Amino acid sequence: SQQGEEDPQALSIQEGENATMNCSYKTSINNLQWYRQNSGRGLVHLILIRSNEREKHSGRLRVTLDTSKKSSSLLITASRAADTASYFCATDGGNNNDMRFGAGTRLTVKP
Amino acid sequence: DAEITQSPRHKITETGRQVTLACHQTWNHNNMFWYRQDLGHGLRLIHYSYGVHDTNKGEVSDGYSVSRSNTEDLPLTLESAASSQTSVYFCASSASGTANEKLFFGSGTQLSVL
Repeated sequence: SQQGEEDPQALSIQEGENATMNCSYKTSINNLQWYRQNSGRGLVHLILIRSNEREKHSGRLRVTLDTSKKSSSLLITASRAADTASYFCATDGGNNNDMRFGAGTRLTVKP
Repeated sequence: DAEITQSPRHKITETGRQVTLACHQTWNHNNMFWYRQDLGHGLRLIHYSYGVHDTNKGEVSDGYSVSRSNTEDLPLTLESAASSQTSVYFCASSASGTANEKLFFGSGTQLSVL
């Protein structure tokens, strides 16, 4: 079964605005990862946050993790049309030694 | 540069036929994974391997098999293709150990079972 669930399923914003996507998961984790997928392509790793971390930054990306609420958020600041893609969270489920993905958030950034 | 490649990119087959999808990585990663992606389901894990001769079932393994005879390759076989197996298949790899480090994905294989 899916471990993570992203919210919203779809998000449409104007270029320059910030985009926030959320991920909720069910069991304890060792780490949580965010991936991006452009239409018709494979997934590309964006950022990894470990269970003992609360926030991580990478360029225009900011990820937070709240293990007490079993949730994470991905913030993309000053969005660009090129950020249009689907974004997925993935978790390891604690004892599982593999990554399980949610259904993703489809982000559209209008120029 | 190291990479992970899948072949073919597109495949059309008939119900009941055996189909093999190839995955080859030059990262020298011990861990390799097969996922399928369907609308509304995200990516679901089919099989995975942590090294040569090691294979494990994922959450949707029925009707699929894998074998790992070397580090670089993890072919996925559909024993008797069914229409429910029409999907996009992604292969991925990650570095050694079970630390769940980041995955590197191939570009995918679009499989249609008619």
